[in-house]
Amino acid sequence: DGGITQSPKYLFRKEGQNVTLSCEQNLNHDAMYWYRQDPGQGLRLIYYSQIVNDFQKGDIAEGYSVSREKKESFPLTVTSAQKNPTAFYLCASSMQQGWSGELFFGEGSRLTVL
Amino acid sequence: AQSVSQHNHHVILSEAASLELGCNYSYGGTVNLFWYVQYPGQHLQLLLKYFSGDPLVKGIKGFEAEFIKSKFSFNLRKPSVQWSDTAEYFCAVANNAGNMLTFGGGTRLMVKP
Repeated sequence: DGGITQSPKYLFRKEGQNVTLSCEQNLNHDAMYWYRQDPGQGLRLIYYSQIVNDFQKGDIAEGYSVSREKKESFPLTVTSAQKNPTAFYLCASSMQQGWSGELFFGEGSRLTVL
Repeated sequence: AQSVSQHNHHVILSEAASLELGCNYSYGGTVNLFWYVQYPGQHLQLLLKYFSGDPLVKGIKGFEAEFIKSKFSFNLRKPSVQWSDTAEYFCAVANNAGNMLTFGGGTRLMVKP
């Protein structure tokens, strides 16, 4: 099946540790995104990438880093500099050309900092 | 910068009741508007979208939304809800310069059987 796979689904981390969330897509989409979802705040954009080897900061990029070495993969690292990392993280992708407005989302990764 | 406001955080309805979820956005230029839905345990998915043309757009599962430019609104409606409509609904806006979405805070809808 075509889609977006995020792993792990649940992750626990101690304060001061970096963690990396995986996002893989087999939809042949050019653009990929990371959103953070918090209750009552909707989805906020962390980083996005419209092409391999290029990415831009979203609205809340501080304390996060990404890479886009392959079209299919867009991992997100939550660093120890992120002050409030406990959240639900969603990865999404979209076609670049002739964009219909539709983002395709993964199932999400829930990160809890202990 | 653009922003999106959803006024109702939680809505509880009985089956067959009518639904209207409010969405207002702030952006001075041309926008594309969307409603996404997240059913329990499922991926977030597109419900409907407005790019241009008829301001009343129809989506999946009997949902519709009306774009009122003068009010900067894009409210979601359904004449008669079902228990299976229980979900979280997100309004989103994109300016026509790019392909990024700004989401509202979401509305949790619970439909009682």
